[in-house]
Amino acid sequence: AQKVTQAQTEISVVEKEDVTLDCVYETRDTTYYLFWYKQPPSGELVFLIRRNSFDEQNEISGRYSWNFQKSTSSFNFTITASQVVDSAVYFCALIPFSGNTGKLIFGQGTTLQVKP
Amino acid sequence: DSGVTQTPKHLITATGQRVTLRCSPRSGDLSVYWYQQSLDQGLQFLIQYYNGEERAKGNILERFSAQQFPDLHSELNLSSLELGDSALYFCASSVGMETREQYFGPGTRLLVL
Repeated sequence: AQKVTQAQTEISVVEKEDVTLDCVYETRDTTYYLFWYKQPPSGELVFLIRRNSFDEQNEISGRYSWNFQKSTSSFNFTITASQVVDSAVYFCALIPFSGNTGKLIFGQGTTLQVKP
Repeated sequence: DSGVTQTPKHLITATGQRVTLRCSPRSGDLSVYWYQQSLDQGLQFLIQYYNGEERAKGNILERFSAQQFPDLHSELNLSSLELGDSALYFCASSVGMETREQYFGPGTRLLVL
């Protein structure tokens, strides 16, 4: 099965706290691509990161960081020193290479609320 | 701003009607994708076009159809609308066919009464 699971439905933190959003994926493919998207209250989907299965290096972009672990099929997303503007729904997604399409398989999303 | 445009932003219609959603991809992108977001189903892939040709189909109902025109804009046609078709419909585009990041438009919110 090709599947993405985001077990955390909702997370609430206070501003400046660090928060980690979990993502676990399932795929038979050895080549695949993982993504994170942000959906703020305004509704649009904003691309955050793309990672291929051969690149297990962690990535940091400002307050955002991503931890990719093939051994546990996880691609977790950490926001450091969270801010109110980080409040949004965050989606993890997968494209298996063998599908030969650009079909994004999304998780159910994690709603993050950052309180002032 | 992703560079992907969608019209209209909101659409209210009645059951049994037909509507057309329009999408213009980012400049230079050849692939267009349509997704449906609803509370019960989440984000679901509907269909993909690449340079005018249908590339992949997902959970798209037979009442729905799409096409991509020579200028690369795309339209999603929804007919015989039912209450359950109420959802947010997103268009996305990417440079290539498959594994590149997709940039999403603002979506069209469809309400079927």
